[in-house]
Amino acid sequence: DIRMTQSPASLSASLGETVNIECLASEDIYSDLAWYQQKPGKSPQLLIYNANSLQNGVPSRFSGSGSGTQCSLKINSLQSEDVATYFCQQYNNYPLTFGSGTKLEIK
Amino acid sequence: EVQLVESGGGLVQPGRSMKLSCAASGFTFNNYDMAWVCQAPKKGLEWVATITYDGRSTYYRDSVKGRFTISRDNAKSTLYLQMDSLRSEDTATYYCARLPEGHFDYWGQGVMVTVSS
Repeated sequence: DIRMTQSPASLSASLGETVNIECLASEDIYSDLAWYQQKPGKSPQLLIYNANSLQNGVPSRFSGSGSGTQCSLKINSLQSEDVATYFCQQYNNYPLTFGSGTKLEIK
Repeated sequence: EVQLVESGGGLVQPGRSMKLSCAASGFTFNNYDMAWVCQAPKKGLEWVATITYDGRSTYYRDSVKGRFTISRDNAKSTLYLQMDSLRSEDTATYYCARLPEGHFDYWGQGVMVTVSS
């Protein structure tokens, strides 16, 4: 199974700041990576797929980069509504696997 | 508007069975692979099972192989998850999700399954 190691586990940042979340795959996943946002008590929502493609309707302050074994999610100009847990997911191979999540809070 | 609405969850005793349903609308159901993803309380996301658009192929995580069965009725635009021999570790919220090319682009609201005596 492909293990997805996500960091940091939690993050506290100020409004307007830029934050980065990393995801490390245990083997090459090319660009077969997605990022999801899950707000408290809600279902996950797709933000990014194919490592850097923005899902329709997602604000442009979210961006993804990387390929191979290292990918990252960047959030520019942090807003209060970005408080959530973020998960990465690889789909290069079954079983589909997720990172353990990054909980983002506002300082 | 794409909608996925799960039903069928609740409290069940260990060793018993439960069947989840997911009613899909707002898109051509038989054009898409579909999947179930679960999330134990206060935990992360785990993929459970996938079924291809035509129902011909299915995939399962190891921990549910032989116990869970994913199926679909394209005429009714409905996805199912039959869960047998349930264990306490199956306790989770189960999400139905649409699966274009391996990532989950739409999710249902989730249904809670609690396995306890």
